[in-house]
Amino acid sequence: DIQMTQSPSTLSASVGDRVTITCRASQSLGSWLAWYQQKPGKAPKLLIYKASSLESGVPSRFSGSGSGTEFTLTISSLQPDDFATYYCQQYNRFSNYTFGQGTKLEIK
Amino acid sequence: EEQLVQSGAEVKKPGESLKISCKGSGYSFSSYWIAWVRQMPEKGLEWMGIIYPGDSYTRYSPSFQGQVTISADKSISTAYLQWSSLKASDTAMYYCARPRSNGGLDVFDIWGQGTMVTVSS
Repeated sequence: DIQMTQSPSTLSASVGDRVTITCRASQSLGSWLAWYQQKPGKAPKLLIYKASSLESGVPSRFSGSGSGTEFTLTISSLQPDDFATYYCQQYNRFSNYTFGQGTKLEIK
Repeated sequence: EEQLVQSGAEVKKPGESLKISCKGSGYSFSSYWIAWVRQMPEKGLEWMGIIYPGDSYTRYSPSFQGQVTISADKSISTAYLQWSSLKASDTAMYYCARPRSNGGLDVFDIWGQGTMVTVSS
């Protein structure tokens, strides 16, 4: 199966900061990469699909980029509601689903 | 409104059996896959397997093959995750999730609220 590696595992930032989370795949995914946000005690929420497409209702400060094996999630200006854990997920049609290990975004 | 509603929290002893459920509504349940995702305490998300309720075709992650059974009853729009003999290491939150499209693999745009399973003697 395809392995996903996220970095960093933890990120400390302040409101208003621009932050970037990276996800690397063990083999090429094309653009079959999604990003989810999870808050404590809640189910994950889809933010980005197909590497760079913003899910309906998600604020435009979230953006995704990349293809192949390297992908990034960027939050352009952190808001208090953005402090959460973020996961990448590959959904390459020729493999099973795999999640990254998660990045916890903490208030500095 | 399309939604998935899961059964309530469970507390079990090691060796006991368990079946938790995920009921879909607001869409054609038979036509969309349902996946199960595990989240152990303070850990990340792990895809366990997926079922197509229309014909009960099931695929498991190698990590969970033989450890759990995924099933579905399309007549009552419900998918299940079951264990025949629980272990303490099965303690986790379990989510069901629906891929956006009914074609191949797709992102999970609808999630259940989660079922917490606690296994302790």
